[in-house]
Amino acid sequence: GENVEQHPSTLSVQEGDSAVIKCTYSDSASNYFPWYKQELGKRPQLIIDIRSNVGEKKDQRIAVTLNKTAKHFSLHITETQPEDSAVYFCAARMNSGYSTLTFGKGTMLLVSP
Amino acid sequence: ETGVTQSPTHLIKTRGQQVTLRCSSQSGHNTVSWYQQALGQGPQFIFQYYREEENGRGNFPPRFSGLQFPNYSSELNVNALELDDSALYLCASSLEGYNSPLHFGNGTRLTVT
Repeated sequence: GENVEQHPSTLSVQEGDSAVIKCTYSDSASNYFPWYKQELGKRPQLIIDIRSNVGEKKDQRIAVTLNKTAKHFSLHITETQPEDSAVYFCAARMNSGYSTLTFGKGTMLLVSP
Repeated sequence: ETGVTQSPTHLIKTRGQQVTLRCSSQSGHNTVSWYQQALGQGPQFIFQYYREEENGRGNFPPRFSGLQFPNYSSELNVNALELDDSALYLCASSLEGYNSPLHFGNGTRLTVT
């Protein structure tokens, strides 16, 4: 089955700095890669996703890049703000008959004012 | 548009007991999947329901079972509870098709003592 590795497990940055979280996946059949943000005690919220036919996608301060050959994808947050502090999860989904997501273990991002 | 709702929000059970968790999918979504999120970990796929049938299952024992109703709402049942079943149980809904994003509910926090 699919295996997703995520690094780093914790990331501390100063407000205004950029943050990068990296994930690798094992199954070359995976073709959909979402990122979720989970604040303490709340639901995981989809913040951005990318499909395998695209190399990069951007939404305001958030961008995701995908390297299919190397089987890794990354989340980039620019101009970080304290409200960006949360746990971020990457995930991968195979091109199968159902919607299973395999998640990484998460990255706790702390943005200090 | 109504989001994914889950009940109850918190639950405390004793080892060996049975529990039923409930989920109402987001309006218009016909597929429901359940995930278990242990403390400090990413969500793990339990199973998915589409058209009232289970059409995908993760690495969970048969004492984890579920139902989907004609209105697309769903139940997760866990028999013979074990201490390791203590976790946040997340329901996610999506539209038919494997390219549809998953939208999560707030989850049910289950504690087994």
